Amino acid sequence: GENVEQHPSTLSVQEGDSAVIKCTYSDSASNYFPWYKQELGKRPQLIIDIRSNVGEKKDQRIAVTLNKTAKHFSLHITETQPEDSAVYFCAASRAGNQFYFGTGTSLTVIP
Amino acid sequence: ETGVTQTPRHLVMGMTNKKSLKCEQHLGHNAMYWYKQSAKKPLELMFVYSLEERVENNSVPSRFSPECPNSSHLFLHLHTLQPEDSALYLCASSQGSARGTETQYFGPGTRLLVL
Repeated sequence: GENVEQHPSTLSVQEGDSAVIKCTYSDSASNYFPWYKQELGKRPQLIIDIRSNVGEKKDQRIAVTLNKTAKHFSLHITETQPEDSAVYFCAASRAGNQFYFGTGTSLTVIP
Repeated sequence: ETGVTQTPRHLVMGMTNKKSLKCEQHLGHNAMYWYKQSAKKPLELMFVYSLEERVENNSVPSRFSPECPNSSHLFLHLHTLQPEDSALYLCASSQGSARGTETQYFGPGTRLLVL
């Protein structure tokens, strides 16, 4: 089955700096890669996703890049703000509604 | 925030109890999921239903029994659980195209404590 690894597990950045979280996957059939943000005590919410026919996608301060050859994808947050502090999960999925999640990255933005 | 709801939000049960978790989605989706979220571990997919038919059961112990009576409701029946089953149980739904390239919408979760 699929194996998704996520690094780092914790990340602290100064407000205004950039944050990068990386994930690798093992199943070349995976074709959809969402990123979820989970604030303390709340449900995971989709913040951005990318499909395997695209190399990069951007939405305001958030961007995701995908390297299919190397089987890794990354989340980039620029101009970080305290409200970006949360746990971020990457996931990989393929046909059949099988989703595999990473172990999460706890991001702290220091004011 | 009201697209996917779960009840109860918190549950404490003994190992000999029987309880059920309920999930309801108001998004017109055809696929529903149960996940287990434990500290320091990735979200673990437990069950997947597509058009009310179970399409995935990821080696989950039989003390967890899912039920999907229609595309809007999903239950997780619990009996003779173990303390290690204490976790946050999340329900999710998606459009259900089975292509695997669709957004999942999560419920708020049920925080379960097994004593």
